[in-house]
Parts: sequence; C-alpha cells; structure tokens
Amino acid sequence: NAGVTQTPKFRILKIGQSMTLQCTQDMNHNYMYWYRQDPGMGLKLIYYSVGAGITDKGEVPNGYNVSRSTTEDFPLRLELAAPSQTSVYFCASTGAGGQGKLNEQFFGPGTRLTVL
Amino acid sequence: QQQVKQSPQSLIVQKGGISIINCAYENTAFDYFPWYQQFPGKGPALLIAIRPDVSEKKEGRFTISFNKSAKQFSLHIMDSQPGDSATYFCAASIKGGSEKLVFGKGTKLTVNP
Repeated sequence: NAGVTQTPKFRILKIGQSMTLQCTQDMNHNYMYWYRQDPGMGLKLIYYSVGAGITDKGEVPNGYNVSRSTTEDFPLRLELAAPSQTSVYFCASTGAGGQGKLNEQFFGPGTRLTVL
Repeated sequence: QQQVKQSPQSLIVQKGGISIINCAYENTAFDYFPWYQQFPGKGPALLIAIRPDVSEKKEGRFTISFNKSAKQFSLHIMDSQPGDSATYFCAASIKGGSEKLVFGKGTKLTVNP
C-alpha cells in the first residue's frame, strides 16, 4: 500500500492564482483531513470529510474549498491565492476499525506552497 | 482559542537523558490523547496514544503519563537518542467527533550525541 499520497510536493503561486492540491489514500479510509502547518503553530484543520459526498469546515476554512466524490480522493482547492496561504499542507486519513491503531491518522508527505 | 497547550517550545537533551514534554487541555470531552512525531520534510506519524481510563502507557522508551484531574498529559522519552531528534506534537480528540484532532503547537527536540 502507498498510504496517503499528495501532489505536488512543491508549488509557487502568484497572488490571485488558483490551484488544486491532490490527495489520495489507498487504505479504504472513510475519514480524510486537510491541515496546514505554519512554523511554531502546530497543525490547523482546514476541512475534513467523513465519507464520499460529505465534507465540513475545520478551524481555518477561509480561502479553501474541498470535494469528496470518491473514498480515495480528497482534493483541496485554493481559488484566489494570498500570501497568508503560504504554508505546508498535509492530507491525512483514518478509518475506524481499519488499518493501524484505532483513531490513528496517517499523514501524506505534504505540499509546500509559496504565494508571492 | 487554543484547546491544547504544549510546552516547552524547544528542548535540548544529552544522549541517554530523559526528555519530557507537557500538554494541558481544557475540553473535558476529549477522550483520546495521541502524540505524533515529525521528522524534517516528512508528515507526522503516530508515536503513542492514551485514553483517559489509564494513567500511564508505555511503549519501549516512550511513556505517556496522564492526569485526568489536572487535565494534563506528558510524553517521557527515556534514554534519549540522537535519532529521536524531531518535532513532537500532542493532540486530543473527542470520540464520535469525526476523529478530528486538535494539535498542540509542537516541541522541537534535539538530542546531542
């Protein structure tokens, strides 16, 4: 199993541009999450999904959108990039009673985004 | 509102020493307390976790101590090794709450050889 994969690894955007961060998991997990990590600030939840077709806002959703059309994929969309969205973005997934320890979130390798 | 407070922000320990990282929480509905380890350029990975029905959990050199009345929990790394140098995050979640985690701000641990 590849686990949680994210693309791209790095990206530089200009202010006002849009992009989609891709996230795919092959563990048949129901729950998926998007976090952003800023230096010294821990991980902040942006959006999450408890299953295909169901998404909800986390702590810092402004400026982002998500969709969950399949169990495997959970893309994160930035519509109008701003310098405040410069961060490292992590996708994670977990499955109640599935692989690994109950509640364990499996993280992808991250996408480092810079908005200039 | 920061629901999980973590300290210290950074920690330097000599090889063979004990590393201690502390966390405090406010929400009494939290019932799952994991610690994640993150190496530079990687995503976090679960290290060890505890539920509030026990006061301590040990896995190898890593121990979580949990004090429900004080709403505090801590990570102890015994016989710290240079390979333990990483950033450690405590977290908390509510059962049935979509398994969402609230993270502390992290502790950068450096173990000197």
